[in-house]
Amino acid sequence: NAGVTQTPKFQVLKTGQSMTLQCAQDMNHNSMYWYRQDPGMGLRLIYYSASEGTTDKGEVPNGYNVSRLNKREFSLRLESAAPSQTSVYFCASLQGAWETQYFGPGTRLLVL
Amino acid sequence: AQKITQTQPGMFVQEKEAVTLDCTYDTSDPSYGLFWYKQPSSGEMIFLIYQGSYDQQNATEGRYSLNFQKARKSANLVISASQLGDSAMYFCAMREAVAGYSTLTFGKGTMLLVSP
Repeated sequence: NAGVTQTPKFQVLKTGQSMTLQCAQDMNHNSMYWYRQDPGMGLRLIYYSASEGTTDKGEVPNGYNVSRLNKREFSLRLESAAPSQTSVYFCASLQGAWETQYFGPGTRLLVL
Repeated sequence: AQKITQTQPGMFVQEKEAVTLDCTYDTSDPSYGLFWYKQPSSGEMIFLIYQGSYDQQNATEGRYSLNFQKARKSANLVISASQLGDSAMYFCAMREAVAGYSTLTFGKGTMLLVSP
């Protein structure tokens, strides 16, 4: 039981390049989330998916797209990376609204 | 207005002493949940403790307890008998049900350093 996994762990991009961050969970959770963490800002919600087939914008969705591929997988895509997207990205999942949210190990992204 | 406020950017405590990390929140939703997470230097987010808005008693998990004062909208984390391994960033977070879905809002965190 791996919990929440994320790939890659580290990535360096040039401005304008695109990439997809992958997230998968094996806990049969309905809801999945993408956050970014910047120094002094805490974690901010980018997008979330309450259930398979649905996605919604969070606090900071601009410049990102998501896909809930199936119940296990929730990917985050940067179509044209910008230096402002340099951050640590966390994926998370949970089963019910009042249960603990489990986090992946994070992806460190540097955009030059 | 911020929904979660952590006013202590950094805290220092000696090993074996107790420490309180402050968290205040703002919501008009009668049903909400409050969480504390620990983030060590390795970067992972570790769940520590949860308090529901309707819970009558303060939550406890081992050395962690949550001092929940609903009228003051505060949910302070108390760590008893601090250990060197407690040195980390600590985040308070609140869950509200928005349009039937729950989202988690985080504070900016408090860095705790435990000295020998």
